[in-house]
Amino acid sequence: DIVMTQSPATLSVSPGERATVSCRASQSVSSNLAWYQQKPGQAPRLLIYGASTRATGIPARFSGGGSGTEFTLTISSLQSEDFAVYYCQQYNNWPPWTFGQGTKVEIK
Amino acid sequence: EVQLVESGGGLVKPGGSLRISCAASGFDFSIYSMNWVRQAPGKGLEWVSSINTASSETFYADSVKGRFTISRDNAKKSLYLQMNSLRSEDTAVYYCARSYMTSLTYNLFHPWGQGTLVTVSS
Repeated sequence: DIVMTQSPATLSVSPGERATVSCRASQSVSSNLAWYQQKPGQAPRLLIYGASTRATGIPARFSGGGSGTEFTLTISSLQSEDFAVYYCQQYNNWPPWTFGQGTKVEIK
Repeated sequence: EVQLVESGGGLVKPGGSLRISCAASGFDFSIYSMNWVRQAPGKGLEWVSSINTASSETFYADSVKGRFTISRDNAKKSLYLQMNSLRSEDTAVYYCARSYMTSLTYNLFHPWGQGTLVTVSS
């Protein structure tokens, strides 16, 4: 199984600042990597797929990069509604489809 | 509007059974693969099971294999998860999620339902 490891576990950022979340795969997943956002009490929402393609309706301040085993999710200027938990997920080698453990982006 | 609505969660004793359902609307259910993903209280996301459009392929996480059965009824636009021999570690919110594309080849999850809580406790 491919293990997805995110860092950091918690990221403290001030509104308006840039936030970067990292995700590492235990073996290459090519560009078959997605990012999700989950706010408290809500279901996850797809942000990015194909490592760098924004899903429909996702603001341009969200961007994804990387390929192979190293990936990043960047939020260029954090808005109040962006404070949430972010998960990466690989869909290259399956089953199982695997998620990272999550990164909480909190207000500094 | 695409909508997924789960139901059937509740409190069940260890060793018991429960069937949860997901009612789909707003899209052609029959052409999309479907999935269950769960989240234990305060924990991360765990993929549980997936099924293709014709129900000819089903996949399970090792943690539930042999105990859970995924199924679908395309005529009723519904997805099901039959859970047997439940354990305390199965306690979680269970989300129904559509595959973003029609096949399981590139299986990412979008959209998601609001989830249904399954609690396994004596």
